[in-house]
Amino acid sequence: SQQGEEDPQALSIQEGENATMNCSYKTSINNLQWYRQNSGRGLVHLILIRSNEREKHSGRLRVTLDTSKKSSSLLITASRAADTASYFCATDWSNTGKLIFGQGTTLQVKP
Amino acid sequence: SQTIHQWPATLVQPVGSPLSLECTVEGTSNPNLYWYRQAAGRGLQLLFYSVGIGQISSEVPQNLSASRPQDRQFILSSKKLLLSDSGFYLCAGTGVTEAFFGQGTRLTVV
Repeated sequence: SQQGEEDPQALSIQEGENATMNCSYKTSINNLQWYRQNSGRGLVHLILIRSNEREKHSGRLRVTLDTSKKSSSLLITASRAADTASYFCATDWSNTGKLIFGQGTTLQVKP
Repeated sequence: SQTIHQWPATLVQPVGSPLSLECTVEGTSNPNLYWYRQAAGRGLQLLFYSVGIGQISSEVPQNLSASRPQDRQFILSSKKLLLSDSGFYLCAGTGVTEAFFGQGTRLTVV
């Protein structure tokens, strides 16, 4: 079973709008990370939020974490066409050694 | 910084031929290493992971195998490729708190 599951599966917005994608997980975590994948490329780490943090910012990215609901959200503000990519969440691998991703959210930002 | 080198970028192989994909790691020691396969427009399916030299865990029974002969080397192999082995293969490693990826190999079995 997947540890991280993202929704929606696909999201299409206009440039300048905000994009919000969500991630749910199943077990207790030490941290949760978000990654971005451009088409046909490897994933790139975007941001990490620890289990004792509720919100974290990095540039136009805002991540929230609700450990009681076992969920996280990634908000991209003032989106740009270059933000078009797939976004994945993953939880830490410290307990099992496994690094498991969900199906991802495919974001299309129209110019 | 941590880097994964993965090659080749694209590969076309006939059915029944062997496969060997290699990735090497720079910038860290004793990382966990992972092989994933990704179908078009889909998520990453974890195939194998390794927490150390010679230690391989298989997630999905299939036509593939993995080996870790050195701390910074992870190899994905098959003795006889099937059409269903086609896909985008990614190698990844984990540092202290984040994962880093190679650029992937697009394998087409014909």
